[in-house]
Amino acid sequence: NAGVTQTPKFQVLKTGQSMTLQCAQDMNHEYMSWYRQDPGMGLRLIHYSVGAGITDQGEVPNGYNVSRSTTEDFPLRLLSAAPSQTSVYFCASTTYGRNSGNTIYFGEGSWLTVV
Amino acid sequence: QKEVEQDPGPLSVPEGAIVSLNCTYSNSAFQYFMWYRQYSRKGPELLMYTYSSGNKEDGRFTAQVDKSSKYISLFIRDSQPSDSATYLCAMSEWGYGQNFVFGPGTRLSVLP
Repeated sequence: NAGVTQTPKFQVLKTGQSMTLQCAQDMNHEYMSWYRQDPGMGLRLIHYSVGAGITDQGEVPNGYNVSRSTTEDFPLRLLSAAPSQTSVYFCASTTYGRNSGNTIYFGEGSWLTVV
Repeated sequence: QKEVEQDPGPLSVPEGAIVSLNCTYSNSAFQYFMWYRQYSRKGPELLMYTYSSGNKEDGRFTAQVDKSSKYISLFIRDSQPSDSATYLCAMSEWGYGQNFVFGPGTRLSVLP
């Protein structure tokens, strides 16, 4: 089972460059999200989507853009990279249910450095 | 005050020790409580899940939720070096589309 697959694993960007972090899930989950993880800050929600064609902002959306054209894919775009966006990024797919509980499945992470 | 607080650690214990990891929270509407384990350079993986108050046991792991005190705990019995990781608590309100709130994580090292 692939679960949540995100690429690239590592990336170095120059300030002002743009890039897209790719994310795909094969669990047919409607809900997908992007988090960033910084030391001492924990995981913070950037953007999320409750289904194809629907996206919304999380806690720290500035400088990022998302779209959701299919259930499987949820790419994250950095519009003009800044050093403050140096972080580890996790794509996640979530299942909800009274019996099964709310469970997030994370990708392996993308380490981004902006110089 | 952050919505979810967690002892940052790091925490070092000898192999075989009982480990207690704790989180406090402020939102009384949280219903789902989870513990995630994250190894270095990896994504978090679900370890335990509980709904509302009470205890849940899974092997060497026990999760406790005390909603009246807004306090959750994860106990690890007979800790092993393979338990060395960062442990994240997470919680959400009930219902579809509710977002999760994570604690900052506690880094645990179990020394052989």
